[in-house]
This record gives sequence, structure tokens and C-alpha cells, in this order.
Amino acid sequence: NAGVTQTPKFQVLKTGQSMTLQCAQDMNHEYMSWYRQDPGMGLRLIHYSVGAGITDQGEVPNGYNVSRSTTEDFPLRLLSAAPSQTSVYFCASSYNRANTEAFFGQGTRLTVV
Amino acid sequence: GNSVTQMEGPVTLSEEAFLTINCTYTATGYPSLFWYVQYPGEGLQLLLKATKADDKGSNKGFEATYRKETTSFHLEKGSVQVSDSAVYFCALATETSGSRLTFGEGTQLTVNP
Repeated sequence: NAGVTQTPKFQVLKTGQSMTLQCAQDMNHEYMSWYRQDPGMGLRLIHYSVGAGITDQGEVPNGYNVSRSTTEDFPLRLLSAAPSQTSVYFCASSYNRANTEAFFGQGTRLTVV
Repeated sequence: GNSVTQMEGPVTLSEEAFLTINCTYTATGYPSLFWYVQYPGEGLQLLLKATKADDKGSNKGFEATYRKETTSFHLEKGSVQVSDSAVYFCALATETSGSRLTFGEGTQLTVNP
């Protein structure tokens, strides 16, 4: 059981470049989400999805796009990378209930120069 | 809206010392409360949770009690080990927010031999 798989683990981008962070889960979870982790700020929600074909914005969505064509996959796209997007990104999945455990990927450390 | 406030870190303790990490919250609705732990280089994983007032979550010697009257969910451990060195996050979710977690800032714990 792989759980939540994120790729890549590390990435360096130049300002203005685009890229996609991949996230896949094999637990048949309805809910998937992307967070960014910055020092002293905890984790902040970027985008989330409650099922295939349904996405919504979180707390810090600007500069990011998502899609959910299947239950398993939830990629995060950076359209034009900026230094302010240097961060550690985590994908998470869970059943769509408030009292349920969230499972996290191992993270992607992104540096934008 | 929902918010979580954790005690400021970092926290440095000697092995076998008593640990308390404070967590208080504000929530619209009736929250479920969580502690997540992040070991170096890894994603977050659930440490414990409580879903109603006066519930005590426990795992790996850690405990936290859901105190509705003080809106708190403090994490405690009687005797910490070097292997407990990690970042600890308090989080909540409500029926209104569904699986969307609101995180505290995180507390870095270092345990020295």
C-alpha cells in the first residue's frame, strides 16, 4: 500500500518557468488537498478537491492551478514560478469527513531562483 | 473563521523530561482536534486525535485532552526520548469545513541525550 506519492522530491526552477507537482493516492479517498509549508506559518491550504471533477480554492490559491480528472490523481501546476513560491509542498488525502485522519505525501522542496 | 495557536518554539529538552506543547483554538462549529508530527525529511503523520469534548487522544506515550471550556488541546508526554525530536502541529476540522484542516504554526522539539 503506497499511500500518498508525491513527485518530485526536489526541484529548482527559474522565475517564470512552469511545472507540475504530481500527487497520487491509492486509498480511494474522496478528499485531496495541497498545502505549502513555510517557516513560522504552519501549513496553508492552496487548493482542495472533494471528488473527481470538483476543485476549490484554499487560503493561498494565487499562482497555482489544479485539476482532478480521477479519484487517484491531483496535480498542482505552477503557471509562472515566482521566488515567493519557494516552499515545501505537501499533498494530502482523506475521506471527506471532519473527524478523519489525513495522509500526507513526503513533500516537494521547491526553490525558485 | 477557524484558527489554531500553538506555543512558540523551538523547545529543547533533555531525555526523560516532561513535555507540554500548548494549543488553543477558535472554531465556527464543533471541531475535531488533531496532533500531527513531522519527523525530519518526512511528511506529516497523525499522532492522535479527539472528536468530542473531554475525549483524550493518546499514542506512543503522548496524550491530549479536548477541553471545550478552555478551547484547548495541549500535548503532553511524561518522559521524552531523543526519537521524539520532530515538529508537532496542532490542527482542527469542523463539520462545516469538512476535511479542510486548519493548522497551527508548528513547534520544533529537540530532545538531547
